[in-house]
Amino acid sequence: KAGVTQTPRYLIKTRGQQVTLSCSPISGHRSVSWYQQTPGQGLQFLFEYFSETQRNKGNFPGRFSGRQFSNSRSEMNVSTLELGDSALYLCASSQGSGSGANVLTFGAGSRLTVL
Amino acid sequence: AQSVTQPDIHITVSEGASLELRCNYSYGATPYLFWYVQSPGQGLQLLLKYFSGDTLVQGIKGFEAEFKRSQSSFNLRKPSVHWSDAAEYFCAANDYKLSFGAGTTVTVRA
Repeated sequence: KAGVTQTPRYLIKTRGQQVTLSCSPISGHRSVSWYQQTPGQGLQFLFEYFSETQRNKGNFPGRFSGRQFSNSRSEMNVSTLELGDSALYLCASSQGSGSGANVLTFGAGSRLTVL
Repeated sequence: AQSVTQPDIHITVSEGASLELRCNYSYGATPYLFWYVQSPGQGLQLLLKYFSGDTLVQGIKGFEAEFKRSQSSFNLRKPSVHWSDAAEYFCAANDYKLSFGAGTTVTVRA
């Protein structure tokens, strides 16, 4: 069974640009959650999508957005990039929603560098 | 506010020695608890989880964790560390979303 696939694995952008990251969940998983990981702030929850609906959202500005498609694949977009957006972006999928007893399986992440 | 605390930022252990990583949580009700491990440049891998029942849970790679409600703790242990256990370890709790502690980096010396 294929794991969670994130693309691209590495990317470099400049300030003011926008970026779109993609996440393909494990087959049969309907929930996708996104996390930002930085050395200073650690792992922070961005948002969760379940059956194409955003269920939960973390404390990030509106520049961070996401969506989920009917096949459960998800994308997240960051507009007007800032230097502080440089981070490892992790996607996780689960069969049920991302809350409670559901186990999240993580992808390898997308490493974004903003210059 | 709900939180997960890992008091130790960095731990160094000798290969073959035992390892214990501490985790405390602050939630209104006992959340679902997890330990994940992250090797450099990789995503997070689930080591074990606690939902209810037996307070000592076994995980992969020889790890175990003990849940203590009275101390709001969920400490991770391994009796004998291997060099391949060098990584960053994250304790996490889930009520409506999975929240992580700051992580503990484990260095294994020969």
